[in-house]
Amino acid sequence: QKEVEQDPGPLSVPEGAIVSLNCTYSNSAFQYFMWYRQYSRKGPELLMYTYSSGNKEDGRFTAQVDKSSKYISLFIRDSQPSDSATYLCAMKERDSSYKLIFGSGTRLLVRP
Amino acid sequence: NAGVTQTPKFRILKIGQSMTLQCTQDMNHNYMYWYRQDPGMGLKLIYYSVGAGITDKGEVPNGYNVSRSTTEDFPLRLELAAPSQTSVYFCASSSKDRSNTEAFFGQGTRLTVV
Repeated sequence: QKEVEQDPGPLSVPEGAIVSLNCTYSNSAFQYFMWYRQYSRKGPELLMYTYSSGNKEDGRFTAQVDKSSKYISLFIRDSQPSDSATYLCAMKERDSSYKLIFGSGTRLLVRP
Repeated sequence: NAGVTQTPKFRILKIGQSMTLQCTQDMNHNYMYWYRQDPGMGLKLIYYSVGAGITDKGEVPNGYNVSRSTTEDFPLRLELAAPSQTSVYFCASSSKDRSNTEAFFGQGTRLTVV
């Protein structure tokens, strides 16, 4: 079993839709949860990170962590064609830890 | 501000050849990393470094070597290229001052071994 599971998609939605992207994980020691966005033929870039459980909002993006279910989500409101990319979740255990564990990524396509 | 710069962007190698993937960062970050990304497989850590002169293996180090003589540079060496090393390679850096939560990635090197 992989430590972090993520549906590869592709997920295709019309412009303006609410998008839900999810990851599940098996390691209960994970405390830091990150979402990276990767455009085609580019390196990943950090969108948001959350420490422990709860929600975090940044503009049209909301990250949610449910540690009891070992489940994290990224919601995108009013999705735009420019949101079309691969979204990777990543997690790590401790503040001092170097080791990020990545999901395989979900490819999102927002249709105009 | 250049961030993380990788060269080359593309390369085709023959089996058994060697090459060095270059990586440099200008953010004075302590931590640097090399990942490989295979289709549908996410990012796998090859090697990492916590500072100049210190390197350690990640999840998939076999067939690779690294060095870190300066804070800025972290080259990845492939000694005897094999088809299994066909992948996209990303260099990244992060700062322990921000809990290493934000890794800054380069643009990647697409390597094909034939």
